[in-house]
Amino acid sequence: DGGITQSPKYLFRKEGQNVTLSCEQNLNHDAMYWYRQDPGQGLRLIYYSQIVNDFQKGDIAEGYSVSREKKESFPLTVTSAQKNPTAFYLCASGEQGYASGELFFGEGSRLTVL
Amino acid sequence: ILNVEQSPQSLHVQEGDSTNFTCSFPSSNFYALHWYRWETAKSPEALFVMTLNGDEKKKGRISATLNTKEGYSYLYIKGSQPEDSATYLCAPSFDYKLSFGAGTTVTVRA
Repeated sequence: DGGITQSPKYLFRKEGQNVTLSCEQNLNHDAMYWYRQDPGQGLRLIYYSQIVNDFQKGDIAEGYSVSREKKESFPLTVTSAQKNPTAFYLCASGEQGYASGELFFGEGSRLTVL
Repeated sequence: ILNVEQSPQSLHVQEGDSTNFTCSFPSSNFYALHWYRWETAKSPEALFVMTLNGDEKKKGRISATLNTKEGYSYLYIKGSQPEDSATYLCAPSFDYKLSFGAGTTVTVRA
């Protein structure tokens, strides 16, 4: 089946540790995105990548890092510099550009910092 | 971060009744307006992508309209069914980035 796979679904982390969330897609999409959801708020864009080996900061990139070495993969690292990392993280992919292409989402990863 | 308002935040509707809710957004530099349905424990799924002022789109009992000049979109559900229970997200696109609203959570009571 074509789609987006995020792992792990649930993750617990101690303060001061880095953690990497995986996102893999087999839809042959050029663009991939990471969003964060907090209660009562809309999805906020962390990082996005329109093509392999290129990515841009979104609205809340501080404390996060990404890589895009392969078209299929866009892992997100939550670093110890992220002040409030407990959240729900969604990965998405789509055709390059937002004007006509819908986004396809994974099922999300919930990170809890203990 | 652009201000995208969705109202109401939540609503309850009786099965068989129709309902509608709103998405408001800044009208400048607008590219497109996306609507997504997000059911509990599932991934958000696209309902519509609209680009032109006056666009109307329909999928089954759900339809949406777009006014880019005044910066709003309505989503309508006709004859609500329990399977329509979900959070509906709108996301206008500006400069090739989507800005999501907080969503309207619809609960359909049987």
